Amino acid sequence: LAKTTQPPSMEAYEGQEVNVSCSHTNIATSEYIYWYRQVPHQGPQFIIQGYKDYVVNEVASLFISADRKLSTLSLPWVSLRDAAVYYCIVTDMSNNAGAKLTFGGGTRLTVRP
Amino acid sequence: NAGVIQTPRHKVTGKGQEATLWCEPISGHSAVFWYRQTIVQGLEFLTYFRNQAPIDDSGMPKERFSAQMPNQSHSTLKIQSTQPQDSAVYLCASSLEDWGVEQYFGPGTRLTVL
Repeated sequence: LAKTTQPPSMEAYEGQEVNVSCSHTNIATSEYIYWYRQVPHQGPQFIIQGYKDYVVNEVASLFISADRKLSTLSLPWVSLRDAAVYYCIVTDMSNNAGAKLTFGGGTRLTVRP
Repeated sequence: NAGVIQTPRHKVTGKGQEATLWCEPISGHSAVFWYRQTIVQGLEFLTYFRNQAPIDDSGMPKERFSAQMPNQSHSTLKIQSTQPQDSAVYLCASSLEDWGVEQYFGPGTRLTVL
């Protein structure tokens, strides 16, 4: 049973704000939410992590619903360089179990000029 | 900071041959991870070292695959008697923390088994 569910694809125009959703209905209290992205011919790149509420960094912001069953990655003002596959990962941080990342299918973001 | 270095970037082997993939983690990082990526299976965890000690190899195929980390500056993934289904991009990642919260990935080695 997949831990996370994301839309398989999204499209946006340059300059738009993009919101990528991720459902994790069975998230446990010890689990955190991570977002990575992968552009072609490169390995995944860490974007942001969170446990609850709202987190922001220089790249993106992450909103987590009050029940923690849904998270939304927000990318402001996307450019062509933001075209990538975005992965939402939920992992247990207790007893170092969180070290192993389990990737789902991700969301392929296409950015049009 | 050169990031995680993986060599070779591309490797072609014949069926039944051995393949050794190399990974140089970011200096100072204590955890090293290996993943495999294919179109069909996506990104899969293979194995994980912390301070050079093997911690979790639950994703490693039981036969033909082995990983080592002889020193803190490199790790190897060896595949014996390669098969066409081993064709994939093999990704190495390292993290500063023991628990690998933020992992830095290398560009991968694309292995093609003919």
